[in-house]
Amino acid sequence: AQSVTQLDSQVPVFEEAPVELRCNYSSSVSVYLFWYVQYPNQGLQLLLKYLSGSTLVKGINGFEAEFNKSQTSFHLRKPSVHISDTAEYFCAVSSFTGGGNKLTFGTGTQLKVEL
Amino acid sequence: EAQVTQNPRYLITVTGKKLTVTCSQNMNHEYMSWYRQDPGLGLRQIYYSMNVEVTDKGDVPEGYKVSRKEKRNFPLILESPSPNQTSLYFCASRKAGSNTGELFFGEGSRLTVL
Repeated sequence: AQSVTQLDSQVPVFEEAPVELRCNYSSSVSVYLFWYVQYPNQGLQLLLKYLSGSTLVKGINGFEAEFNKSQTSFHLRKPSVHISDTAEYFCAVSSFTGGGNKLTFGTGTQLKVEL
Repeated sequence: EAQVTQNPRYLITVTGKKLTVTCSQNMNHEYMSWYRQDPGLGLRQIYYSMNVEVTDKGDVPEGYKVSRKEKRNFPLILESPSPNQTSLYFCASRKAGSNTGELFFGEGSRLTVL
């Protein structure tokens, strides 16, 4: 079975400050990792993904994440946040099972950017 | 424009009154899935479908039904809604050949059961 832990339910940060949203996963097989973002009153959209290769992946809106296999982590970072980054962020993991690749989500981290 | 469309976006209903939330995708995706989102619990999978006429339970299927008669549509049926089904529901899809699990989401349907 696979699972995802997002340690912080809320992260307040001032505009232009750096931010890191933490994600740890558990799986007995190789995984693919994702970060999705949900803006208020909208659906989820893909921010970035790790499939293979370089452990540092870059996504939209200046976000990046680093896959660390030894620590089973996939933390999301941005060096300087903007008010428009206020949203909920979900980390997700998938691995092949008998029923195909199931995507399992964490409980989400609410990022609130303040002036 | 490639999209997943859900209707209704907002619905208030009463206990026991059957309702259906529709989901349609225009990307010719084989795989479709329903999730519910609740505060502190993230997204949990209700049902999924690998292709037409093939459906299976997710993690929280109790109280829900689905059907997949056409490739583009995957309605979620609540035969007798109860207050604990008040939630934000998302439909999602992807190609069956996608081996990564990446999903494309609809904009969500907020359901309140009184």
